[in-house]
Amino acid sequence: AQTVTQSQPEMSVQEAETVTLSCTYDTSESNYYLFWYKQPPSRQMILVIRQEAYKQQNATENRFSVNFQKAAKSFSLKISDSQLGDTAMYFCAFLEPNAGGTSYGKLTFGQGTILTVHP
Amino acid sequence: NAGVTQTPKFQVLKTGQSMTLQCAQDMNHNSMYWYRQDPGMGLRLIYYSASEGTTDKGEVPNGYNVSRLNKREFSLRLESAAPSQTSVYFCASRKGPGQGDNSPLHFGNGTRLTVT
Repeated sequence: AQTVTQSQPEMSVQEAETVTLSCTYDTSESNYYLFWYKQPPSRQMILVIRQEAYKQQNATENRFSVNFQKAAKSFSLKISDSQLGDTAMYFCAFLEPNAGGTSYGKLTFGQGTILTVHP
Repeated sequence: NAGVTQTPKFQVLKTGQSMTLQCAQDMNHNSMYWYRQDPGMGLRLIYYSASEGTTDKGEVPNGYNVSRLNKREFSLRLESAAPSQTSVYFCASRKGPGQGDNSPLHFGNGTRLTVT
């Protein structure tokens, strides 16, 4: 069963505008971690932002912020003031605790969203 | 500043051939991972090793084996390659248990494998 779902295969936005990428996940755990990664055409994987499930405050990193809704199991990424260099594939990722809940190991990704920023 | 190093970068195999993808990290990370990336499927976890001496199956382990040779190295073996295993393979590592629960993945540059 798919743990992480990104329902938008492709998105586009005009330069300087704001775009939101959606991600939902499925878990019965209360403690876990969530990440957004960016993969530009170079194929390199770049960490964008991370969120701890025990923190209610939404993470922000410059123009990137998340809307973390724990009850809804939703973790969307908002990109403000979009730039041409933001054009990439974006992946949501979920890090879950191992059996026993004493450590974390399995990290699964969504299918990805291709974002194109137009001038 | 090597980070995560994968070899080879490209490989073409014939159906039925075997090969091992090598991965090494120099960041003293406990956890290492192998993913495959296919169009429309995102990154799918093949196997992971949360710490030296342990390995666990991910979402798509069939047709693959792994070896956590030591803390630095985590290899992926295809015993009898099939065209369905044509993909881009990524190795990654993170701090893992005892080093930082929220530590992100650090990725290698990927291996493009074609099975004909």
